[in-house]
Amino acid sequence: AQSVTQLGSHVSVSEGALVLLRCNYSSSVPPYLFWYVQYPNQGLQLLLKYTSAATLVKGINGFEAEFKKSETSFHLTKPSAHMSDAAEYFCAVSDPNGSEKLVFGKGMKLTVNP
Amino acid sequence: DTGVSQDPRHKITKRGQNVTFRCDPISEHNRLYWYRQTLGQGPEFLTYFQNEAQLEKSRLLSDRFSAERPKGSFSTLEIQRTEQGDSAMYLCASSGRDRGIETQYFGPGTRLLVL
Repeated sequence: AQSVTQLGSHVSVSEGALVLLRCNYSSSVPPYLFWYVQYPNQGLQLLLKYTSAATLVKGINGFEAEFKKSETSFHLTKPSAHMSDAAEYFCAVSDPNGSEKLVFGKGMKLTVNP
Repeated sequence: DTGVSQDPRHKITKRGQNVTFRCDPISEHNRLYWYRQTLGQGPEFLTYFQNEAQLEKSRLLSDRFSAERPKGSFSTLEIQRTEQGDSAMYLCASSGRDRGIETQYFGPGTRLLVL
């Protein structure tokens, strides 16, 4: 069965600083991996996804993530944080051979300080 | 197409009452998913439709929960005899093939509070 681990629940960075949100996955088959962002009282918006075409994936709003099979990781980064990046971020894995339902991590709340 | 829509956005009900939520997916999407999200947690899968067929249900979906997608378009999620533990955000997503993989797009959610 697939699972996702996002260690910790809260990250705080200064505006302009590097954003690094960690995600480790467990999957019995080559996974499809996703990062979603959720702003308060809203649904989830897709940031980016790993489709096995390239290990470095670029998404919206300047975010990118790198798939590392040897480390079973898919960490999300952004070189320079903006105040508008403050939100909750979820890593998810889907089983490409089944219903393709998403299994989410617990999420990471990002705070950006001025 | 403006994306996935859900109605209502908020619902407050008393314990024991029935509630029904609606989801309108992106029109060309065949797959539709329901998830539940409680405070401080990631969304958890409830059920999934391929067109009008309900193909998978989570153990989280007790007998009090029922979902339908009668014509393969919109879907409804009904909770009977609500309990305080049902308080959560209920998220709907529809999916379509994007660059070869199914990609889910979420609606804004329905936040349920059971008093």
